[in-house]
Amino acid sequence: QVQLVQSGAEVKKPGSSVKVSCKASGGTFSKYAFSWVRQAPGQGLEWMGGIIPTIDISNTAQNFQGRVSITADESTNTGYMELHSLRSDDTAVYYCARGMVRGVVILGMDVWGQGTTVTVSS
Amino acid sequence: QSALTQPASVSGSPGQSITISCTGTSGDVGDYNYVSWYQQHPGRVPKLMIYDVTKRPSGVSYRFSGSKSGNTASLTISGLQAEDEADYYCTSYASTGSLIFGGGTKVTVL
Repeated sequence: QVQLVQSGAEVKKPGSSVKVSCKASGGTFSKYAFSWVRQAPGQGLEWMGGIIPTIDISNTAQNFQGRVSITADESTNTGYMELHSLRSDDTAVYYCARGMVRGVVILGMDVWGQGTTVTVSS
Repeated sequence: QSALTQPASVSGSPGQSITISCTGTSGDVGDYNYVSWYQQHPGRVPKLMIYDVTKRPSGVSYRFSGSKSGNTASLTISGLQAEDEADYYCTSYASTGSLIFGGGTKVTVL
C-alpha cells in the first residue's frame, strides 16, 4: 500500500519561497503522478499542478503559473513543490497526492499525504 | 478557469438518499469522463470516493455512486448514515490540462 509522507510545517516571511517534499513508499509509483493541492483555512481544495516522473511531464494550474515549481526525483520516489514570492494568502495546508494518469494526462488522486501547513507571516 | 459549481450544503435524514451536483462547462465536465469526488471530514485528509464519473475505488461503500449528464456530474449517497456527514468536492479534467475543483458541499445528516 503506497503511503505519501510530506515534510514538516513551515513558517515563512512574505516574499520568500517554500519547498515541500513528498516521499512515496510501500509500493510502485511508476504509472502515477505527483499532484499538489492546497487548502486555505476554512476554504475549499485547489489543484496547483502535477508531474508525471517517468516522462518528466508537468502541468501547472493557471493561478500558479510562474510562481510554482513542481519537480520529482524518480530515483527516490520523491516529489517536490516550491512556491515563490509568498504572500499572506498563501497560508494553507499543502497536500501531495498520487494522481492517476491516462497517457500524459493527470487525473484524480487516490492516495494523499498527511498535509504540510505553510504559514506566511511577517 | 472557473471553479465547478456545487451547492453549498445538502442535508438528509438517516436512511434517505441525497444527490450533490457539480456543474461545469463543455470545456471540462461536458467534454471528459474524468470527474472525481472526494470526501473530507473536518481536520482530515481528503478521500477519493468516485473517479472517472462512475468508478468506486476499492473499499468505498456501494452507497456512493456517480453519474453525469451533459455539463453536470452528480454524486448520490444512498442509505445516508451519520458518518457520511462531511464536505464533498468534485473535480474534473479540463481542456487546459488542469484539474478543476468545485467549491465543496457540506453534507449534514439530520
